[in-house]
Amino acid sequence: SQQGEEDPQALSIQEGENATMNCSYKTSINNLQWYRQNSGRGLVHLILIRSNEREKHSGRLRVTLDTSKKSSSLLITASRAADTASYFCATDAGNQGGKLIFGQGTELSVKP
Amino acid sequence: DGGITQSPKYLFRKEGQNVTLSCEQNLNHDAMYWYRQDPGQGLRLIYYSQIVNDFQKGDIAEGYSVSREKKESFPLTVTSAQKNPTAFYLCASSTGPFPPFHNEQFFGPGTRLTVL
Repeated sequence: SQQGEEDPQALSIQEGENATMNCSYKTSINNLQWYRQNSGRGLVHLILIRSNEREKHSGRLRVTLDTSKKSSSLLITASRAADTASYFCATDAGNQGGKLIFGQGTELSVKP
Repeated sequence: DGGITQSPKYLFRKEGQNVTLSCEQNLNHDAMYWYRQDPGQGLRLIYYSQIVNDFQKGDIAEGYSVSREKKESFPLTVTSAQKNPTAFYLCASSTGPFPPFHNEQFFGPGTRLTVL
């Protein structure tokens, strides 16, 4: 079952612009994580936000979490061509043996 | 280098054959996971293991089997019962699901399986 739904499915921007991706989920969570996947590769963990946190930063990444709306957003500031990839949110309900439920992903294209 | 490896990178299977995908990690992680990814889709969990000699079915376990005889290894067998096995298979590991760990997962590079 896919808990996360991501929006938009695809996003195309120019280098230097900001990119915002959204994730909605259905059940209570322990934490929410964002991953990045370059074409044909494995996923790379970007950032984790706990259910009692509202915002978290890591370099050019900013993640917000609104548990009342069951939604999260990932903002990439000052995007670069190298940020071109698919981005996935994943939720950890905390009571399912460590299972993560992944969203469908947002495909980001950053044009130089 | 610490990490998680998968082999082979590409695998071709004839219909009716079983094939085994390898996943090895030297991160000393207790938990390991197998996912399937279809084009343009997210990841779906096949099987996971929290500890050696124990594993649980994920959301799409039918037609697959696993073993966890060693902490470092979690091979996945795609059996002939899997009706549509052509996909990208990803293995992951994490320190474990219990507090204070937060279950960040580390992924291997993937195996692309094609049925001929």
